[in-house]
Amino acid sequence: DGGITQSPKYLFRKEGQNVTLSCEQNLNHDAMYWYRQDPGQGLRLIYYSQIVNDFQKGDIAEGYSVSREKKESFPLTVTSAQKNPTAFYLCASGAPGYEQYFGPGTRLTVT
Amino acid sequence: RKEVEQDPGPFNVPEGATVAFNCTYSNSASQSFFWYRQDCRKEPKLLMSVYSSGNEDGRFTAQLNRASQYISLLIRDSKLSDSATYLCVVLYSSASKIIFGSGTRLSIRP
Repeated sequence: DGGITQSPKYLFRKEGQNVTLSCEQNLNHDAMYWYRQDPGQGLRLIYYSQIVNDFQKGDIAEGYSVSREKKESFPLTVTSAQKNPTAFYLCASGAPGYEQYFGPGTRLTVT
Repeated sequence: RKEVEQDPGPFNVPEGATVAFNCTYSNSASQSFFWYRQDCRKEPKLLMSVYSSGNEDGRFTAQLNRASQYISLLIRDSKLSDSATYLCVVLYSSASKIIFGSGTRLSIRP
């Protein structure tokens, strides 16, 4: 089955800890994206990558970091520098310039 | 002004009704347009792409008006299962800039 997987579905962390969210795709897409969604809000772009070993900041990259060592994988680290990390995190992939397909998301709660 | 704007709703309509909502965009360089559907606490799912000539998929019709810079989504014979938030998405020619609207919430009542 082709698709995008994100794990875990729910994640709880204490303030001050870094946490890494996983995103894997087997759709052979070149581009991958990370978004954040807050309750009642739209999606905001954190980082994106159009090719392996290259990535660009989105609109709200501060406090986050990513890597793209393999085409299939685009993990997101939420660092302790992110002031309001509690949110719904969505990973997507697609061919550049075309529609994106989303994973099921990770709900991160930081207390 | 936001680059992509949608009426947040909620639109509350009876089952079987026809409902339409628009999405306006500010950048005329926009190249591609999409409608996504997002159910509560789930990921967005692609509903349909929007082509210049307009396109239809079953009960759903999407239209693009480049002159007035808006896209629309029409749902005919609405079902209870159509209740969701509908997101308008605009892609720019750079291929790296994709903007999501905040969504229009639709609630279908029996």
